[in-house]
Amino acid sequence: DTAVSQTPKYLVTQMGNDKSIKCEQNLGHDTMYWYKQDSKKFLKIMFSYNNKELIINETVPNRFSPKSPDKAHLNLHINSLELGDSAVYFCASSQGHQETQYFGPGTRLLVL
Amino acid sequence: DQQVKQNSPSLSVQEGRISILNCDYTNSMFDYFLWYKKYPAEGPTFLISISSIKDKNEDGRFTVFLNKSAKHLSLHIVPSQPGDSAVYFCAASDGALNFGKGTSLLVTP
Repeated sequence: DTAVSQTPKYLVTQMGNDKSIKCEQNLGHDTMYWYKQDSKKFLKIMFSYNNKELIINETVPNRFSPKSPDKAHLNLHINSLELGDSAVYFCASSQGHQETQYFGPGTRLLVL
Repeated sequence: DQQVKQNSPSLSVQEGRISILNCDYTNSMFDYFLWYKKYPAEGPTFLISISSIKDKNEDGRFTVFLNKSAKHLSLHIVPSQPGDSAVYFCAASDGALNFGKGTSLLVTP
């Protein structure tokens, strides 16, 4: 019974494609996040989202969009994939914006 | 520009001894600090945290120390065990989590 789960675990795709990564949390948290870990291993926030507010890191291209069908899910859609999008993407959740975040296992995206 | 820095990319410690992982930050608005542990091919796992109103928090073998004037925090693991071998990320919050680059800890038998 994984607390924060992501699918798929691995994603290999061609440049220009559109893809989605799904995230689900069963912790009853009200805030979810997407992070990108790049080749230099930095973990950087992309989005944070709860029912009321979407906060976007201004450095994130608008090809990336989070979509939340309900409080337990925050999916990440990526349009027109580029080589530089290759990274590991982590979903996380917390109870409230300033509380401890719990991470999913990551999705390894490779764009060819 | 990184606001949270872990200047040691790796650390090797013998089993049973103390591991000390260091973290420096630049933003005085950070009010909550966390340590995460990460194994290969897994997501970061929360380990321990400390609020800016405290200077020490202890949980079993793990203790986090915060020196606000120096903008420095450290994680002490004692005694270190081989299962502690992982990458440790320091994170600081001003509403959003800002991560360091991580320190890879190897605990040798």
